[in-house]
Amino acid sequence: DAEITQSPRHKITETGRQVTLACHQTWNHNNMFWYRQDLGHGLRLIHYSYGVHDTNKGEVSDGYSVSRSNTEDLPLTLESAASSQTSVYFCASQQGGVTDTQYFGPGTRLTVL
Amino acid sequence: AQSVAQPEDQVNVAEGNPLTVKCTYSVSGNPYLFWYVQYPNRGLQFLLKYITGDNLVKGSYGFEAEFNKSQTSFHLKKPSALVSDSALYFCAVRDKSAGNTGKLIFGQGTTLQVKP
Repeated sequence: DAEITQSPRHKITETGRQVTLACHQTWNHNNMFWYRQDLGHGLRLIHYSYGVHDTNKGEVSDGYSVSRSNTEDLPLTLESAASSQTSVYFCASQQGGVTDTQYFGPGTRLTVL
Repeated sequence: AQSVAQPEDQVNVAEGNPLTVKCTYSVSGNPYLFWYVQYPNRGLQFLLKYITGDNLVKGSYGFEAEFNKSQTSFHLKKPSALVSDSALYFCAVRDKSAGNTGKLIFGQGTTLQVKP
């Protein structure tokens, strides 16, 4: 079955380190998204992509970057991890139509010490 | 500005009773609306969506939602709640900014607690 996976599921890192979270989908969806979920803030969009080599900033993009070299993957990089980036990160994908449904991965819990 | 509001942080209901989780939206033109559920330590799961047509939308796990254009609402409902329905529920509307085909605007979420 087609699916969307994230790795690692849990990560502990230190302040200042670079961290990359992986997201892989097998639906051949054009659109992919990264969100963070924090208590009291719901889901906030970090970056998104509408296709290969396309990337766009969301509402909380500072300190994060993404690249889209193929359809299946959208890795999220924290350039220099900060304690404020401790959160649960969700990747999502969607076919390209405006009425299409977004499907979410299982999440990555990141702790920055 | 486009927005989604879930006015209740938590909804408590007894098992077997009907449940309603409220959602109101503000968006120009016709909205595309979605409901998701999140169980503890899991990702969001899609429940249902309203695009056009019948105002009553049926979805997964016996849930349905009623679209009301005049009240700009899209409340999630279930005739008989189960303890296993206890979870965090998110309402979302598709951002209708020019050129957008994907971005969603999420509400803050409502925790549903179903007591036996």
